[in-house]
Amino acid sequence: DAGITQSPRYKITETGRQVTLMCHQTWSHSYMFWYRQDLGHGLRLIYYSAAADITDKGEVPDGYVVSRSKTENFPLTLESATRSQTSVYFCASRDRFGVSPGSGANVLTFGAGSRLTVL
Amino acid sequence: AQKVTQAQTEISVVEKEDVTLDCVYETRDTTYYLFWYKQPPSGELVFLIRRNSFDEQNEISGRYSWNFQKSTSSFNFTITASQVVDSAVYFCALSEGDTNAGKSTFGDGTTLTVKP
Repeated sequence: DAGITQSPRYKITETGRQVTLMCHQTWSHSYMFWYRQDLGHGLRLIYYSAAADITDKGEVPDGYVVSRSKTENFPLTLESATRSQTSVYFCASRDRFGVSPGSGANVLTFGAGSRLTVL
Repeated sequence: AQKVTQAQTEISVVEKEDVTLDCVYETRDTTYYLFWYKQPPSGELVFLIRRNSFDEQNEISGRYSWNFQKSTSSFNFTITASQVVDSAVYFCALSEGDTNAGKSTFGDGTTLTVKP
């Protein structure tokens, strides 16, 4: 199915463990993003990528690692999870010219979210 | 740096009332985009509208309308004759053209509750 999918949708882990959240999009969008959503903070950008092998830090990158070896995949890894990383994580993508789903330049299409709990 | 402020954390109205959600933004760019997204209780994020910095025309779509004023750096969203299904968290966002992959900065969101 076309779209942007995140996995797992729900994850419970323990402090200190490594966790990887997967994001896959089928549109060949150039740009992909990871946001986290916490009560009172809206959506904050963790990392983003303009193309395969090009990634950059967002507003809150500490404790996270990303990679983008293929255009369609943008995994987010918590190398040593902490309780403060308990959050809902959203992956998003957009194409450069706004001609695919999303209706217009810079419009983001989001995945369904991954709810992560760190005990 | 770009910033989006949604001063209203929570709003509660009774069905059929009109409600306006405020959004104020800051940016140094002359080319930028403004957005509203909706997050219903199911949790997904849904795009509602995009405006670019060169188009200050207000827009109406059914019960929804948007007022963009560059002079006050505001992009307010009005729901006319609200319905229970409008209950959601609404996010205003700002993107600075293609700079830095056109990444969007979001406000903290306004939780709208429409009571029957």
